[in-house]
Amino acid sequence: GNSVTQMEGPVTLSEEAFLTINCTYTATGYPSLFWYVQYPGEGLQLLLKATKADDKGSNKGFEATYRKETTSFHLEKGSVQVSDSAVYFCVGGTSYGKLTFGQGTILTVHP
Amino acid sequence: NAGVTQTPKFRVLKTGQSMTLLCAQDMNHEYMYWYRQDPGMGLRLIHYSVGEGTTAKGEVPDGYNVSRLKKQNFLLGLESAAPSQTSVYFCASSSLRGPAGQPQHFGDGTRLSIL
Repeated sequence: GNSVTQMEGPVTLSEEAFLTINCTYTATGYPSLFWYVQYPGEGLQLLLKATKADDKGSNKGFEATYRKETTSFHLEKGSVQVSDSAVYFCVGGTSYGKLTFGQGTILTVHP
Repeated sequence: NAGVTQTPKFRVLKTGQSMTLLCAQDMNHEYMYWYRQDPGMGLRLIHYSVGEGTTAKGEVPDGYNVSRLKKQNFLLGLESAAPSQTSVYFCASSSLRGPAGQPQHFGDGTRLSIL
């Protein structure tokens, strides 16, 4: 079956630091890949997505590139802010809309 | 635009009690889903529906039932609650159009405690 493995946290950074959260996937075929973010007490929100190899998703300064050769979709941001503190989920999607979630990475950014 | 609305937001039950969680979406989405979120495990799919009147089992369906009598509503039922069902429950919906690239829209969650 499909599986998504992401970097375990928690991750603690100072404001303006560089962020990388690693994510690799195992799937039959080529799923679409997403990063979802969950702020405290809220539901999940789509952060960015990529639907095929070499696609780069980007939003709010975050980026991730769909690498077929390494089956990876690492999340990066050049300069994090305190407001980026949240839980980040790497997710794979199949053609029937079913999602496979990574376990989530807690990010805490200090001033 | 309300998106996906879940009720209730919090609930405490005693073991053996029953209850129904309601999910409503106003985006005319075909697909709807129920997940549970447990610490360190991400979200796991309980049941899903690809259209009005249809439901299917997900990854962890045991102990739950669902119904999709109207396109906009997806109900999750616990017939006899157990402490192992203590969790945060999320409903989501997505459009049928396009391939796997359609994102899911999530509600804010229902925190359920079973004593």
